[in-house]
Amino acid sequence: QVQLQESGPGLVKPSETLSLNCSVSGGSLDPYYWSWIRQIPGKELEFIGYIFYSGSANYNPSLRGRVSMSVDTSKGQFSLNMRSVTAADTGIYYCARGRLQPDSWGQGALVTVSS
Amino acid sequence: DVQMTQFPSVMSASVGDRVTITCRASQAISNSVAWYQQRPGKAPRLLIHSSSTLQSGVPPRFSGSSSGTEFSLTISGLQREDIGTYFCLQHNFYPPTFGRGTRVEVK
Repeated sequence: QVQLQESGPGLVKPSETLSLNCSVSGGSLDPYYWSWIRQIPGKELEFIGYIFYSGSANYNPSLRGRVSMSVDTSKGQFSLNMRSVTAADTGIYYCARGRLQPDSWGQGALVTVSS
Repeated sequence: DVQMTQFPSVMSASVGDRVTITCRASQAISNSVAWYQQRPGKAPRLLIHSSSTLQSGVPPRFSGSSSGTEFSLTISGLQREDIGTYFCLQHNFYPPTFGRGTRVEVK
């Protein structure tokens, strides 16, 4: 059974870059799509984007320009970078397997944007 | 983006009760709806996909249905382990969008 685990700094300063990794165990990155989803307090879950194991990615238009994703199949990891963060980016960030209706999720990583 | 209006936001029911949660889409989305359960402190779990198809390993007391732009998740015989938050997801249009969630409590 595949398991996903997010990791990264829990505190990021405004205007800096949020960076998170997702480690996948119990399965291969190939041949799946991998997604990032976040939940801002008081709001519904928001889809950030997805990346294919080969590296092609697609992002939510509302975040395009600030977001990039990458994949490292040798390490069994994929990553999220979000530039120029503000307090409005504070929330729980989830990684998940699947492009449109993810079938396995990590437990989430709390990221706070604050100086 | 497609808006998914989910209701109720909180539901309190007794063990054995039938519980129904609904999401209404802001436009036609075919049957491209999934339902998830998130128990406290746990990762979200896929319950239903394609509006009414039970994910492997999910107990049959969970079922999904649809009528037009309304999609429902029903728990037939609530169990204590069903406590948590349930949310819907549409993926007919990009980006996928979620309902706000329904917190299910057991009386």
